[in-house]
Amino acid sequence: ETGVTQSPTHLIKTRGQQVTLRCSSQSGHNTVSWYQQALGQGPQFIFQYYREEENGRGNFPPRFSGLQFPNYSSELNVNALELDDSALYLCASSLTGALETQYFGPGTRLLVL
Amino acid sequence: AQRVTQPEKLLSVFKGAPVELKCNYSYSGSPELFWYVQYSRQRLQLLLRHISRESIKGFTADLNKGETSFHLKKPFAQEEDSAMYYCALTGLGGSARQLTFGSGTQLTVLP
Repeated sequence: ETGVTQSPTHLIKTRGQQVTLRCSSQSGHNTVSWYQQALGQGPQFIFQYYREEENGRGNFPPRFSGLQFPNYSSELNVNALELDDSALYLCASSLTGALETQYFGPGTRLLVL
Repeated sequence: AQRVTQPEKLLSVFKGAPVELKCNYSYSGSPELFWYVQYSRQRLQLLLRHISRESIKGFTADLNKGETSFHLKKPFAQEEDSAMYYCALTGLGGSARQLTFGSGTQLTVLP
């Protein structure tokens, strides 16, 4: 099993609240990407962090923000939650963004009521 | 805009039969194509990429630029191949290796 971990595994929030999801990257990986996977859909790219800087962003509004820490772990923050934010959130770590080295975490399932 | 289309949400075949999972894409530049697989209760993982032109677990996929397709094939399906399969693409040489995924095909191999 790979070393990418995510917390929490599940959580429930209400509309308008804020949430923080966490990702611990595989040892030696310096790049973290976040994806949103709605039910019945493939993952959608939110953004990528490389050496603590945002390094590319998908079509998500600014209320989706992130951080990467010196140990390369990462957080995804979502403000003003909407019902459509209910999804599985995946993080994936890699070495300098090389997709052949990328490993996905198990995901955090978020339900917004 | 880049897009990946997997026309079949569900696909069932019998063990030992050939299987083909379809993937079509639209991309204005030079794409890099991938197949990802997610087995039951496991994480999403890379199965193969067109650049490496390799066969993994008996699966192959050929990039057809004329038809903008990257279909995944296996001549003899096994029960352990039952899983969700996602086709994905990214642009070659992009600064952020952003993957665009299709909506996936659930493959069931029947005994």
